Amino acid sequence: DTAVSQTPKYLVTQMGNDKSIKCEQNLGHDTMYWYKQDSKKFLKIMFSYNNKELIINETVPNRFSPKSPDKAHLNLHINSLELGDSAVYFCASSHLSPLAEQFFGPGTRLTVL
Amino acid sequence: DQQVKQNSPSLSVQEGRISILNCDYTNSMFDYFLWYKKYPAEGPTFLISISSIKDKNEDGRFTVFLNKSAKHLSLHIVPSQPGDSAVYFCAASAGNAGKSTFGDGTTLTVKP
Repeated sequence: DTAVSQTPKYLVTQMGNDKSIKCEQNLGHDTMYWYKQDSKKFLKIMFSYNNKELIINETVPNRFSPKSPDKAHLNLHINSLELGDSAVYFCASSHLSPLAEQFFGPGTRLTVL
Repeated sequence: DQQVKQNSPSLSVQEGRISILNCDYTNSMFDYFLWYKKYPAEGPTFLISISSIKDKNEDGRFTVFLNKSAKHLSLHIVPSQPGDSAVYFCAASAGNAGKSTFGDGTTLTVKP
């Protein structure tokens, strides 16, 4: 059984389009995250939700809007896609604790043409 | 401002020898540190962690050392195996659970 799943795995789209990436975890965790890994391989946190409430919102353009319908899901919607949005996006989940390991999804490779 | 740095982008080691991956941080508020391993086309997976009240944590072939005064941690893998070839990320958090700052990774290649 997949612990953290993301769909789609690959996403190729044109500039200006709106797209969504979905994430689901079946680990019973209360906290979920979105990370962006750019071409330089930096893994940078974008958002974090705890029990459906936003607890971390890094400096991310407001074209990016996360939505957590329940504790097991955290979706990422991106409006007006730009070339610089091309990256691999990882979803993760954990218990809310400093030493709690995060479980990552397989990533979604977004390519904006 | 990159608060967590892994200054070696890559490391190559012979099978059976020790691999030492290094990580430096600048934020003295960090008090929890984790290492993750990442294979191509997969998400990172947790490897080992350490809290700032310790200076060493060991789990099988993996040991993490923390030097708080130097703001430095290292991951030792001994003996190294070809299956250890992956990208290794260190991550740090400052007690406010929910946010980990990642380094930019070190690619380890273990040669048979």
